[in-house]
Amino acid sequence: DTGVSQDPRHKITKRGQNVTFRCDPISEHNRLYWYRQTLGQGPEFLTYFQNEAQLEKSRLLSDRFSAERPKGSFSTLEIQRTEQGDSAMYLCASSLSEDRTYEQYFGPGTRLTVT
Amino acid sequence: LAKTTQPISMDSYEGQEVNITCSHNNIATNDYITWYQQFPSQGPRFIIQGYKTKVTNEVASLFIPADRKSSTLSLPRVSLSDTAVYYCLVGKIIFGKGTRLHILP
Repeated sequence: DTGVSQDPRHKITKRGQNVTFRCDPISEHNRLYWYRQTLGQGPEFLTYFQNEAQLEKSRLLSDRFSAERPKGSFSTLEIQRTEQGDSAMYLCASSLSEDRTYEQYFGPGTRLTVT
Repeated sequence: LAKTTQPISMDSYEGQEVNITCSHNNIATNDYITWYQQFPSQGPRFIIQGYKTKVTNEVASLFIPADRKSSTLSLPRVSLSDTAVYYCLVGKIIFGKGTRLHILP
């Protein structure tokens, strides 16, 4: 297994455009997390899934953000009508829910720049 | 959700032991404490996790007092490659702002 992968690694878009990112977790992991990280800050939780169910969503996540995990495998994060404040690194992580320690394995991230 | 507080930055020298403390006064009964390491342009990487007392693995030790309101990550004999940001995570999803550790030759 090659670990958590994210695509694309970099995305530059103009304000007002929609963008979609993909995350492929470690194959046997049933939990998948999305975080956002800005320069100099720690990862900020956005949402997480157990299998295909979205169990928790941050109140910081505006209605312009939506995440899906349709078959409990890969996940997509869509940002509609992007704003310059959306510029950040978007990180995906996965873990085993049966593992009570919830050790998360992170992908390399997608760096979004909104111009 | 428990919030965490860590020093913003620390400097140390190669070969020294480094201790980074994280405060988490509102930790819940069933929360584990996890530490991650992050290099620039990479995702965080798991270092160590514990619930109480002391945990040791091949790269670090984690000390947790009885009240669990703080924890200390101990890195023995650091090297230049340990220069990174270290995050304390309580429970599943709340990261602190991290401690920027700079190792000097």
